Amino acid sequence: QLQMVQSGAEVKKPGASVKVSCKASGYIFTHYGLSWVRQAPGKGLEWMGWISPYNGKTDYTQKLQGRITVTADRSTNTAYMELRSLASDDTAVYYCARDRYSTGNDPRYFDLWGRGTLVTVSS
Amino acid sequence: QSALTQPPSASGSPGQSVTISCTGTSSDVGGHNYVSWYQQHPGKAPKLMISEVNKRPSGVPDRFSGSKSGNTASLTVSGLQAEDEADYYCSSYAGSENYIVFGGGTKLTVL
Repeated sequence: QLQMVQSGAEVKKPGASVKVSCKASGYIFTHYGLSWVRQAPGKGLEWMGWISPYNGKTDYTQKLQGRITVTADRSTNTAYMELRSLASDDTAVYYCARDRYSTGNDPRYFDLWGRGTLVTVSS
Repeated sequence: QSALTQPPSASGSPGQSVTISCTGTSSDVGGHNYVSWYQQHPGKAPKLMISEVNKRPSGVPDRFSGSKSGNTASLTVSGLQAEDEADYYCSSYAGSENYIVFGGGTKLTVL
């Protein structure tokens, strides 16, 4: 079954880290990229970063450089997004999305989304 | 402030057509044909409606169409139906520094 299953909601204190997982199924994991997109309450979508499970290459938005790490485990078809030094404005729903871009001149769009993981940062 | 500019709201009556604009720059919308549109119902994950400016994925009704002129992309929904009421986001590739940018979203209301 074609789907992306994300881990459950998290509550973290300011300064802590969070690691969200995303297990892909129903397609060949290494044939697509995987992006992470977040959405603060009542706000729009924000692209965070991308990984190619094929070769492990990553790209991150400049805004989160140094705080975010995206990894992929090809043995379990699972991607992970770790965000460190959390602050209240990191409170958001975090989505993983299958990215058509994997290598070279692949197009850029997200054609399969997880249901989202709510991360709440509060003291 | 989002990188791409969308109107915050749009509306139309059932059966009518509505067009949502998405304005960027020559570094994103105008410089690449990697504009995509997503539909999001409340409490749900986004859904791809249009990729690569005007390509409609399998399963998306042909009432949805996309286009681009210069630095502005557009999503047109024809024959509006009640289930089209949702938030719509545009997105574009923005080169090797900014990668992917989104618009602020447009709330489409079916009157």
